[in-house]
Amino acid sequence: EPEVTQTPSHQVTQMGQEVILRCVPISNHLYFYWYRQILGQKVEFLVSFYNNEISEKSEIFDDQFSVERPDGSNFTLKIRSTKLEDSAMYFCASSRDRGSEQYFGPGTRLTVT
Amino acid sequence: AQSVTQPDIHITVSEGASLELRCNYSYGATPYLFWYVQSPGQGLQLLLKYFSGDTLVQGIKGFEAEFKRSQSSFNLRKPSVHWSDAAEYFCAVVMEYGNKLVFGAGTILRVKS
Repeated sequence: EPEVTQTPSHQVTQMGQEVILRCVPISNHLYFYWYRQILGQKVEFLVSFYNNEISEKSEIFDDQFSVERPDGSNFTLKIRSTKLEDSAMYFCASSRDRGSEQYFGPGTRLTVT
Repeated sequence: AQSVTQPDIHITVSEGASLELRCNYSYGATPYLFWYVQSPGQGLQLLLKYFSGDTLVQGIKGFEAEFKRSQSSFNLRKPSVHWSDAAEYFCAVVMEYGNKLVFGAGTILRVKS
């Protein structure tokens, strides 16, 4: 069964450093998403991506964040200068169509020290 | 703004007992509705979804959910809980033709033997 994969599973970085979180969505899906879950809090939407551009983003997704689909399979989330409050579990998801069910990866736990 | 409420933070049930997890949403129109499960250290697994039609939907692992428009609810049920069902359960909604999932805070299910 096809699944969304994410690497790394855990990333530790120092405040101010750049991080790139990687995702491989399900191959025939067209919509891609990033969500995050701060420990003890709700899962929050960050951004959606379709046809090589951002289709929607939340207020959390400020200029420190960017997304890219560098090739036909990978989908990345970059945080330019990490802050302590960026520590969270980051989930990638993909869906076949707009509004259809989203399938999630196992997440990357980002720890900013 | 749309919101999802899961009023129970923790629920404990005995193995073999029935289960109902509550979910209410606040939305201008009928959204698409989902239940996801997250086991410790795992990603979010889709249990079931409701788009339209029959208001009682069946999902994986013996779960079902009923959409009640009049109550703006989408409660998750299982007739007989197994110890392996212990996990955190999230209700989520997305607008028709929308992009982002809006999640509830989650309900942690504990199963006692």
